[in-house]
Amino acid sequence: KQEVTQIPAALSVPEGENLVLNCSFTDSAIYNLQWFRQDPGKGLTSLLLIQSSQREQTSGRLNASLDKSSGRSTLYIAASQPGDSATYLCAVKGQAGTALIFGKGTTLSVSS
Amino acid sequence: SQTIHQWPATLVQPVGSPLSLECTVEGTSNPNLYWYRQAAGRGLQLLFYSVGIGQISSEVPQNLSASRPQDRQFILSSKKLLLSDSGFYLCAWNPDSNYGYTFGSGTRLTVV
Repeated sequence: KQEVTQIPAALSVPEGENLVLNCSFTDSAIYNLQWFRQDPGKGLTSLLLIQSSQREQTSGRLNASLDKSSGRSTLYIAASQPGDSATYLCAVKGQAGTALIFGKGTTLSVSS
Repeated sequence: SQTIHQWPATLVQPVGSPLSLECTVEGTSNPNLYWYRQAAGRGLQLLFYSVGIGQISSEVPQNLSASRPQDRQFILSSKKLLLSDSGFYLCAWNPDSNYGYTFGSGTRLTVV
């Protein structure tokens, strides 16, 4: 059974810092991995989708990497801003027909 | 472009009352549709998914049911709500199970 773990559960940084959020999964047989952002009381916003054949994806200040063999992904946020404060969720898609499995998220707070 | 709509945004219902949450997707046809629940302090849990009209798969046996009466409409229902049904309900779609997921804005349900 696939399990997704995100470390740390919470993170506080001053504005301008570069930071890394970690995601690990137990079953390396995945189709893709997706990073989401969730603001308090809101739905999920997709940030990056990495297919199993890819090693990384970039969007603006965000870079996500995938090491399928070791069951790990990282989300790198460059030059953090207060507007980046949110909960970041990692989710993996296993074999066809299985559900998207989520980690419990990392809650990020960026202070000005 | 494709959009996903969920309503209502918030709902307070007494124990034992019925429930109907609606989700619609625009700008696409034959989407895969999903209902997730996010309870306080817990991760996102897949409740139901549908790959076509009238085709519903249940991931967790519980007090809820789902229906897909039209191609782009997904409904979550209950005949009698329990206190434990409280949570944040999210609808999602993708064009194929191996594509990234797009989530709606969610419904906050409080059962009192």
